Amino acid sequence: DTGVSQDPRHKITKRGQNVTFRCDPISEHNRLYWYRQTLGQGPEFLTYFQNEAQLEKSRLLSDRFSAERPKGSFSTLEIQRTEQGDSAMYLCASSLGYLTGANEQFFGPGTRLTVL
Amino acid sequence: DQQVKQNSPSLSVQEGRISILNCDYTNSMFDYFLWYKKYPAEGPTFLISISSIKDKNEDGRFTVFLNKSAKHLSLHIVPSQPGDSAVYFCAAIYTGGFKTIFGAGTRLFVKA
Repeated sequence: DTGVSQDPRHKITKRGQNVTFRCDPISEHNRLYWYRQTLGQGPEFLTYFQNEAQLEKSRLLSDRFSAERPKGSFSTLEIQRTEQGDSAMYLCASSLGYLTGANEQFFGPGTRLTVL
Repeated sequence: DQQVKQNSPSLSVQEGRISILNCDYTNSMFDYFLWYKKYPAEGPTFLISISSIKDKNEDGRFTVFLNKSAKHLSLHIVPSQPGDSAVYFCAAIYTGGFKTIFGAGTRLFVKA
């Protein structure tokens, strides 16, 4: 299977703990995105990488959130000092970079975070 | 401030009939519009897109219409099939872009 994979699929943690999620994009895709989705809402953009460079961060991404994409391959999203409001589905997506227009994003299955 | 709005949380349609899902947007800087479909426990999957310079794009049973003056787009599925039952997200990409803004989704039920 050469789709986008995310690990873990589910994470339950206590408030105040740190968590880290991993995303493995489709191998030839140079663009990688992180989104957060809460119940009844669509995915909300968090951040975007072009290869290893993080080019955009949403205001939703507080100082407790950090994302990396070393070597332009897999990416990690870390949340420090988790809060109950961080409970959500965290989605990763990847795409090819086109010069113009829509680039179809391929999504992983997501990591569901529950903060107790 | 919701820049992409899907005002119908759900839609129920009989198998074989047409499904019409609607989406409104507020930002004229959007360059491309896309529809994604999502089944439970899976990530969204791309369905169809349209450039802001076009007014229609068709792919099999799926057609997307764009009305720029009204800042409105719609997805038509005809004929609808039970396997089309899913949540459909409308999304828009800014000019130059990569930042994608999603609507809240519409849950489609296709009854056999």
